[in-house]
Amino acid sequence: DIQMTQSPSAMSASVGDRVTMTCRASQDISNYLAWFQQKPGKVPKRLIYGASSLQSGVPSRFSGSGSGTEFTLTISSLQPEDFATYYCLQHNSYPLTFGGGTKVEIK
Amino acid sequence: QITLKESGPTLVKPTQTLTLTCTFSGFSLSTSGGGVGWLRQPPGKALEWLALIYWNDENHHSPSLKSRLTITKDTSKNQVVLTMSNMDPVDTATYYCVHIGTTMATNFDYWGQGTLVTVSS
Repeated sequence: DIQMTQSPSAMSASVGDRVTMTCRASQDISNYLAWFQQKPGKVPKRLIYGASSLQSGVPSRFSGSGSGTEFTLTISSLQPEDFATYYCLQHNSYPLTFGGGTKVEIK
Repeated sequence: QITLKESGPTLVKPTQTLTLTCTFSGFSLSTSGGGVGWLRQPPGKALEWLALIYWNDENHHSPSLKSRLTITKDTSKNQVVLTMSNMDPVDTATYYCVHIGTTMATNFDYWGQGTLVTVSS
């Protein structure tokens, strides 16, 4: 199984901050990686697919990068509505696996 | 527009079998490409992939749960059914079904609202 390790598991940041989080795969997954945002009590929402393609309707302050085993999700200027938990998912091979999540909290 | 909705019991007893149905619209599993997947999320914990089935009946399951999971589809009803046997309190979670597309751009793009299943005697 491919293990997906997200770091940090939690972070505190202020509105306007540039925020970066990482997802590492235990094996090469090419660009078969998606990022999701989940707010408390809500359904996860896909932000990024193919490691770097922005989902339609998602603000351009979100960006994804990486390939192979290391991936990054960046929020260029954190907004109040961005406080949430972020998950990565690899769908290169079965079983599909999620990272443990990064919770972005208000500083 | 693609929509998915999960249905099933909200409470099951330990050792019972859970049957969840995902009813979808906006796409078909009778034509080539695409499928439906199931995920779950225990309260306060991370997402976990369970299983998925494609239009051609190809299916995959989480190895850790494989012996307990069955996934089937009813093309005429636009439904995918997940059964999980021998339920345990640790299986308490919100269960989601998701659209699996034919391209990277259309994988996991649409989700159901989720259904909370509690396992308790």
